[in-house]
Amino acid sequence: KAGVTQTPRYLIKTRGQQVTLSCSPISGHRSVSWYQQTPGQGLQFLFEYFSETQRNKGNFPGRFSGRQFSNSRSEMNVSTLELGDSALYLCASSTPSNTEAFFGQGTRLTVV
Amino acid sequence: GENVEQHPSTLSVQEGDSAVIKCTYSDSASNYFPWYKQELGKRPQLIIDIRSNVGEKKDQRIAVTLNKTAKHFSLHITETQPEDSAVYFCAAREGQAGTALIFGKGTTLSVSS
Repeated sequence: KAGVTQTPRYLIKTRGQQVTLSCSPISGHRSVSWYQQTPGQGLQFLFEYFSETQRNKGNFPGRFSGRQFSNSRSEMNVSTLELGDSALYLCASSTPSNTEAFFGQGTRLTVV
Repeated sequence: GENVEQHPSTLSVQEGDSAVIKCTYSDSASNYFPWYKQELGKRPQLIIDIRSNVGEKKDQRIAVTLNKTAKHFSLHITETQPEDSAVYFCAAREGQAGTALIFGKGTTLSVSS
């Protein structure tokens, strides 16, 4: 079965712009979580969605937002991009009964 | 919220030696503790996990131990091989609901032959 798919794989944006990243979970998985990975901070939790509702949120500014659609696909949006937003953004999907999180390949965002 | 500390940040061993990575967590309600391996340029992949009702779990050369009282858990890799070289992350599932994971900052393991 297909794994977690993230698009696009790479993005270059300018400071002040906004960006939308997409995540398609494994078929049947209704929970999607997003993480920011940077060399200094490791993997930091952004937010989690389940059945189109945000269930948990990490400690990130309001410029970071997300949503989930009825088919469980999720998007995250970052507005007013800053240089420090350059990172690998990973999403992970899981089922409620199986807490194992399966990660996508990530979207590498570079802000210039 | 949950906070996970991981040590050491880097670890170098000779092939065949054992490697131990330790993590502590702060939320006593956390009940699921996975370990992920991330090779350069690849996605994190689960290598072993443990739930709070178990003290130890083994899978071939890899084992994880959990001490709920002290709120710490450890990854043990025996007979290390060069292909074990990667970044290892511990994590804790925050609270009782949801699947959000709080990660440690990672340990870069280098196994030299």
